[in-house]
Amino acid sequence: GENVEQHPSTLSVQEGDSAVIKCTYSDSASNYFPWYKQELGKRPQLIIDIRSNVGEKKDQRIAVTLNKTAKHFSLHITETQPEDSAVYFCAASRGAGNMLTFGGGTRLMVKP
Amino acid sequence: NAGVTQTPKFRVLKTGQSMTLLCAQDMNHEYMYWYRQDPGMGLRLIHYSVGEGTTAKGEVPDGYNVSRLKKQNFLLGLESAAPSQTSVYFCASRLDNSNYGYTFGSGTRLTVV
Repeated sequence: GENVEQHPSTLSVQEGDSAVIKCTYSDSASNYFPWYKQELGKRPQLIIDIRSNVGEKKDQRIAVTLNKTAKHFSLHITETQPEDSAVYFCAASRGAGNMLTFGGGTRLMVKP
Repeated sequence: NAGVTQTPKFRVLKTGQSMTLLCAQDMNHEYMYWYRQDPGMGLRLIHYSVGEGTTAKGEVPDGYNVSRLKKQNFLLGLESAAPSQTSVYFCASRLDNSNYGYTFGSGTRLTVV
């Protein structure tokens, strides 16, 4: 089955700096890669996703890049703010018909 | 429209006790999932259902059973709880096979002592 690895497990940045979280996956047939944000004590919420027919997608301060050849994808957060502090999860699946396999999560701390 | 609702939110069990976690969704979603979340291990799939009356095993199904007698409800059962089942349990649902997005419930924190 699919295996998703996520790095780093913790990340601390100063407010205003950029943060990058990376994930690798094992199943070359995977073609859907979402990112979830989970605030303390809350449920995971989808923040951005990318499908394999594009290499990059951007939504305001958040962007995701995908390298299908190398089987890795990354989340980029620019101009970080304290409210970006949370645990971020990447995931992969073969598409709508298959369940998501999650990475282990990254705890992002943004220091004011 | 409440989305995905999980009950209870917290529970403490003694080893060997049984309990059922309820997940209810009012969005007419076909697909429902049960995940457990442990520190450093992300979300791992326990069981899932692709429609009323169907269930299937996920990555970590041992020690759990599920039922989907009604489309809107997905029940997760622990017949004989063990300390290794201490975790936060999340239910999620998805509209159908053409839709990618998961909607998560707010979670159930279970402690087995």
